[in-house]
Amino acid sequence: DGGITQSPKYLFRKEGQNVTLSCEQNLNHDAMYWYRQDPGQGLRLIYYSQIVNDFQKGDIAEGYSVSREKKESFPLTVTSAQKNPTAFYLCASITQGAVGELFFGEGSRLTVL
Amino acid sequence: SQELEQSPQSLIVQEGKNLTINCTSSKTLYGLYWYKQKYGEGLIFLMMLQKGGEEKSHEKITAKLDEKKQQSSLHITASQPSHAGIYLCGADPLQGAQKLVFGQGTRLTINP
Repeated sequence: DGGITQSPKYLFRKEGQNVTLSCEQNLNHDAMYWYRQDPGQGLRLIYYSQIVNDFQKGDIAEGYSVSREKKESFPLTVTSAQKNPTAFYLCASITQGAVGELFFGEGSRLTVL
Repeated sequence: SQELEQSPQSLIVQEGKNLTINCTSSKTLYGLYWYKQKYGEGLIFLMMLQKGGEEKSHEKITAKLDEKKQQSSLHITASQPSHAGIYLCGADPLQGAQKLVFGQGTRLTINP
């Protein structure tokens, strides 16, 4: 079945460590997105990519980095520069130019100890 | 920048009761999307509204977009435990860029 797979679902890290969250889709979608969700807040856009080898910053890109070397993969690295990394991270995708639903992964919960 | 305000932030209703969730935008909406999220999981698309006055229904959930395209409501009729979760509205501020901005969500609890 087609879909978006995020891993790991739960991740713990110590302060000062970088961590990479995986996002893989087999929907043949062009555009992919990373959102952050905090309790009582909506989703905030971190980075997005509309084509391979190209990506743009969202509203809260500081302390994060991404790559888009393959169409199906869009990993997110949470660096030690991110002040408050503990959050729920969601990856999404859509066919370029489509007007409609974003498809979301199941999310990754990162906790910094 | 466009902002979406949802109300109420949380809602507890008795099973079988009707309920309404509102989403108000600071700017004209070119596309309004409703999603549902189960606790600790990803979002599932419910409906999209684009035209002023548009109304869509799916099973017991009805979403409306007002004529001025700045407010949307989500109405659930005869609520069931399966309706519990977080409902989020999203909007596309750049009309087609799919860089959705989201409201803060409404947490719905259904009591048996």
